[in-house]
Amino acid sequence: QVQLQESGPGLVKPSETLSLTCTVSGAPINSYYWSWIRQPPGKGLEWIGYIYYSVRTNYNPSLKSRATISVDTSKNQFSLKLTSVTAADTAVYYCARETLNGDYLWFDPWGQGTLVTVSP
Amino acid sequence: DIQMTQSPASLSASVGDRVTITCRASQSISSNLNWYQQKAGKVPKLLIFGASSFQIGVPSRFTGSGSGTDFSLTISSLQPEDFATYYCQQSYSTPWTFGQGTKVEI
Repeated sequence: QVQLQESGPGLVKPSETLSLTCTVSGAPINSYYWSWIRQPPGKGLEWIGYIYYSVRTNYNPSLKSRATISVDTSKNQFSLKLTSVTAADTAVYYCARETLNGDYLWFDPWGQGTLVTVSP
Repeated sequence: DIQMTQSPASLSASVGDRVTITCRASQSISSNLNWYQQKAGKVPKLLIFGASSFQIGVPSRFTGSGSGTDFSLTISSLQPEDFATYYCQQSYSTPWTFGQGTKVEI
């Protein structure tokens, strides 16, 4: 059974860098696409980006190049860094696996999510 | 980016009702459409992938249909545990995008 668990600071100051880690168990990190998704309080879901095999990444242009996703294969973890944060980056951040089946792709499973608040 | 528009934004229904939620894409996405259910304070849960294929363990009262730009999720007989927010998501081209959600309330 594949499980994901997010970790990182719950409070980040404006203009600083948000850093989160997702620890994966039950699946090798280099065999799948892994994504970060966020959800501001009371709002909808926004895909941030994915990483595959440590080298292939794809980001949502809405983040204006502030996001970086990386992999640590020795720890079976992947991480998100989001620079120059503002209050608009306050959200629950989820990590998720992109599951591929033929022509179709979906997010499953997801981590439990971690709330990150941007505040002085 | 492909914009996903769900309707309605919210609806009130009773146990046993038939409920339909629609999702429209701003361009054709073939059948690359997924549906998720999110209960308050919980993680989104995959219901349907590829517009109409069930995720393992999803009750048969949930049905997905559509292709191209117009899609729907139907709950044939609403159960108490179905009160939640439902999101569509396109997986045709990046950036992957979600609809704004439909909240199903009592």
